[in-house]
Amino acid sequence: EPEVTQTPSHQVTQMGQEVILRCVPISNHLYFYWYRQILGQKVEFLVSFYNNEISEKSEIFDDQFSVERPDGSNFTLKIRSTKLEDSAMYFCASSEGVISSTDTQYFGPGTRLTVL
Amino acid sequence: QKEVEQDPGPLSVPEGAIVSLNCTYSNSAFQYFMWYRQYSRKGPELLMYTYSSGNKEDGRFTAQVDKSSKYISLFIRDSQPSDSATYLCAMSETGNQFYFGTGTSLTVIP
Repeated sequence: EPEVTQTPSHQVTQMGQEVILRCVPISNHLYFYWYRQILGQKVEFLVSFYNNEISEKSEIFDDQFSVERPDGSNFTLKIRSTKLEDSAMYFCASSEGVISSTDTQYFGPGTRLTVL
Repeated sequence: QKEVEQDPGPLSVPEGAIVSLNCTYSNSAFQYFMWYRQYSRKGPELLMYTYSSGNKEDGRFTAQVDKSSKYISLFIRDSQPSDSATYLCAMSETGNQFYFGTGTSLTVIP
């Protein structure tokens, strides 16, 4: 069964450093998403991406964040200058289309980001 | 911003019981309603999807949406120990940006 993969599974960084979280969506999917989940809190939408541009983003997704699809398979989330409050589990997801009766959003296993 | 409210539990039931999980919401523009299951240290896995109001059944799972009350439910019949997980509701206006509940932790005791 096809699956979304994410690397690394755990990233530890110092405050102020840049991090890049990587995702490989399912190959025929066209819509890509990043979510985060701070420990003990809700899953929060960050951004959706389609046709090489951001289609929607939340208030959390400020200038510190950027997304990119550098090649035909990877989808990355960059945090330019990490803060302590960026510590969270980051989930990538992909779907074939916008959510409908036939399109499912598949989540990856997540990358745990710890900012010290 | 309390768009979606979900009782975090934990909920503990004996095997075979019927489980009822619920979420309420405040945004009347939501029209896409999802239920996810999340096992420990894993990403959410879509269980049920409903567009607008009504019921949807899939095996032992039934999802209900009552837009007039801004209330959605997930029922699990004949619960199994393998159903033990955290259940997340999520909803969206556009099918793009989803708002999640906090999740309800369920344990099914053999």
